[in-house]
Amino acid sequence: GAVVSQHPSWVICKSGTSVKIECRSLDFQATTMFWYRQFPKQSLMLMATSNEGSKATYEQGVEKDKFLINHASLTLSTLTVTSAHPEDSSFYICAGSPTGGLNTEAFFGQGTRLTVV
Amino acid sequence: EDQVTQSPEALRLQEGESSSLNCSYTVSGLRGLFWYRQDPGKGPEFLFTLYSAGEEKEKERLKATLTKKESFLHITAPKPEDSATYLCAVPLLQENTPLVFGKGTRLSVIA
Repeated sequence: GAVVSQHPSWVICKSGTSVKIECRSLDFQATTMFWYRQFPKQSLMLMATSNEGSKATYEQGVEKDKFLINHASLTLSTLTVTSAHPEDSSFYICAGSPTGGLNTEAFFGQGTRLTVV
Repeated sequence: EDQVTQSPEALRLQEGESSSLNCSYTVSGLRGLFWYRQDPGKGPEFLFTLYSAGEEKEKERLKATLTKKESFLHITAPKPEDSATYLCAVPLLQENTPLVFGKGTRLSVIA
């Protein structure tokens, strides 16, 4: 299967600082990348959908100015959590779709555990 | 309104004790149902995709089946290494819409 590399796998930051998470598709071109957030014992909740070269589409309730998504190339998407607060502590997971358009199969990164202290 | 519902929420099995996990969905015009395995602190690992009622797929001790309203993940003679959270997901119909996940079933297999 296709490989999506995400890093860092974990990060601890101080409240008020910004954190960048990278997601790379290693062996396919990801026209579309998805960013999910997962709280303990909860399922994955979609945050935003990004398409290469265009602005991301955010889900209701997700602040686009706080969670900055950049998808500048077909193999790299980044999520920057700006002015992080303890309530942003969560498990962030990206997924890439090699087909784009309607999602037929998404390959997930390893996830990033963010802890804001 | 939940579009994907999984049951049970948690399942504890003895090694070798077969069982099934359920995933029911309410989206119309299903365009695939996906099963993933997720280990603690890791991203989901793809298992199966099913596209039409009656379809079955197998991988080692796992077999996934699909009807018009639900999917089952059958686990035959599980081993402790099968312990994980199993997630099912379906895509919505709109263009570029990603997967919508159920809350998962946490499976524990005890030796």
